[in-house]
Amino acid sequence: GQNIDQPTEMTATEGAIVQINCTYQTSGFNGLFWYQQHAGEAPTFLSYNVLDGLEEKGRFSSFLSRSKGYSYLLLKELQMKDSASYLCAVHTGGGNKLTFGTGTQLKVEL
Amino acid sequence: DAGVIQSPRHEVTEMGQEVTLRCKPISGHDYLFWYRQTMMRGLELLIYFNNNVPIDDSGMPEDRFSAKMPNASFSTLKIQPSEPRDSAVYFCASSSRWGSSYNEQFFGPGTRLTVL
Repeated sequence: GQNIDQPTEMTATEGAIVQINCTYQTSGFNGLFWYQQHAGEAPTFLSYNVLDGLEEKGRFSSFLSRSKGYSYLLLKELQMKDSASYLCAVHTGGGNKLTFGTGTQLKVEL
Repeated sequence: DAGVIQSPRHEVTEMGQEVTLRCKPISGHDYLFWYRQTMMRGLELLIYFNNNVPIDDSGMPEDRFSAKMPNASFSTLKIQPSEPRDSAVYFCASSSRWGSSYNEQFFGPGTRLTVL
C-alpha cells in the first residue's frame, strides 16, 4: 500500500522560515514532488527530488532522504501570498502515476 | 499554450442524474489523469491514460464511474447515476515524459460537482 503523511495545518509569521515535513511508505519510488494549491484553485508544481539532498529554487527548497522515506519543503522570507495548501506526492511505479498526501494548510500571519 | 481545459467549471445536479465532465489536455502531452479532491480524502487518482489507453483505473470508486479518451485531445469522466457522496472537485491533469526532466503534471482548473 501507499502511505504519505504530512501535518494537517501550520501557522507562520510573514518574513519567517517554515519547514513542512512529509514522510512516505510506498511500494516503489521514482521521485517526490511538492505542489502548491491556493484555495479554490488547481495544484501547481513547485519542486521535484529524485536523489538525496537539497534542491533550491529561489525562496523555496526541498530536501529528500530516500533511506528515511522523508522529505521537507522549506519556505523562506514568507509572504502572505504563500498561504496555501502544500501537497507532497510520490511518483510510484511505471508511467507518471503520483500518490498525493492530504496536504498541509499553511497560514501566514502578520 | 492554453493549459489544461476542463468543462463545466461548476455542475449542480440531482441524485440519479448522469454527469459528464470534460477535459482537453495540453497539446503534445501523452499522459492524462483524472483526480477527485475532497476535504476528507484529499486528492485521489481515479484513472490515468497513456497515449489514449487506460493504464490504471484502480482508483475508480465503482461501476457508476467510467472514463474515455477517444483521441489525444479529449477525455470524459462520466458518473451514472450520480449520488450525493460524489460531490467533490474533479481535476484533470496532463504530462509528457518527453517534456521537462521533472515530468510534472499540469492541472486543469477543476470541475466543482454538487449532487443534491
